[in-house]
Amino acid sequence: GQQVMQIPQYQHVQEGEDFTTYCNSSTTLSNIQWYKQRPGGHPVFLIQLVKSGEVKKQKRLTFQFGEAKKNSSLHITATQTTDVGTYFCAAAGGSQGNLIFGKGTKLSVKP
Amino acid sequence: DAGVIQSPRHEVTEMGQEVTLRCKPISGHNSLFWYRQTMMRGLELLIYFNNNVPIDDSGMPEDRFSAKMPNASFSTLKIQPSEPRDSAVYFCASRTARSTEAFFGQGTRLTVV
Repeated sequence: GQQVMQIPQYQHVQEGEDFTTYCNSSTTLSNIQWYKQRPGGHPVFLIQLVKSGEVKKQKRLTFQFGEAKKNSSLHITATQTTDVGTYFCAAAGGSQGNLIFGKGTKLSVKP
Repeated sequence: DAGVIQSPRHEVTEMGQEVTLRCKPISGHNSLFWYRQTMMRGLELLIYFNNNVPIDDSGMPEDRFSAKMPNASFSTLKIQPSEPRDSAVYFCASRTARSTEAFFGQGTRLTVV
C-alpha cells in the first residue's frame, strides 16, 4: 500500500534555530497534508499542498511540494517553544481516498 | 459543532476482555477513519469508511479487530479478545470529502493489562 517516509524521527533545537522535516513517497502523490500534534493532544490540520512545486507559507512555517509530487518539506524559521510537538505529513486523495500518515518528526525546543 | 467525539477517553481492561471504542463524526462528514497510535509504529490507519461503507480495511491487524458504521453519525471499533499489545491511543477522524482536511477526535487511550 501507499507509504510515506518522514525524516528525521526526532529533532532537538535551541529556541531561535530553524527546523526542517522531510516527507518522501515512492509513488506520485495527488496531494499532501501536514498536521501538528501537541504532546498529549490529537493531530490538527495545518495545510494541504496540491500543485507540483507549490510553496505555501503560514507565518514562520514554509511548506513545499516537490516538482515530481513525491516529496514535501516543512520548514520552521526561528523556532519558539510553542512549536513543540510532532509534525506529520499525510498522503491524501489516493485511489481509495484514504489518508496515510508518515511516522512524524518530534520537535523539541530548548528555551 | 462539537467536533469528532470519541468515548471513552480512557479504558483499562484485562487481557481477554472485549473492548468497544465509539466515535461520533462531525455532522455532514461522509468519510471516517480509525487510527492507532503507538511510539513504535506511529499513526497507523486501521480502517476507512466512505458513506458508511468500509473502503479500506487492510490496516486492521487481525480478526480480533472489527469496525462498524451503522449510520452516518456513529462508528465503533471492537477488539475481542483484547491483548496487551493492543495498548495504544486510538483516534477517530472524519472529513467532508476526499482531499480535504481530516478532523480528529481526542482519542481513546487503551491499556490492556
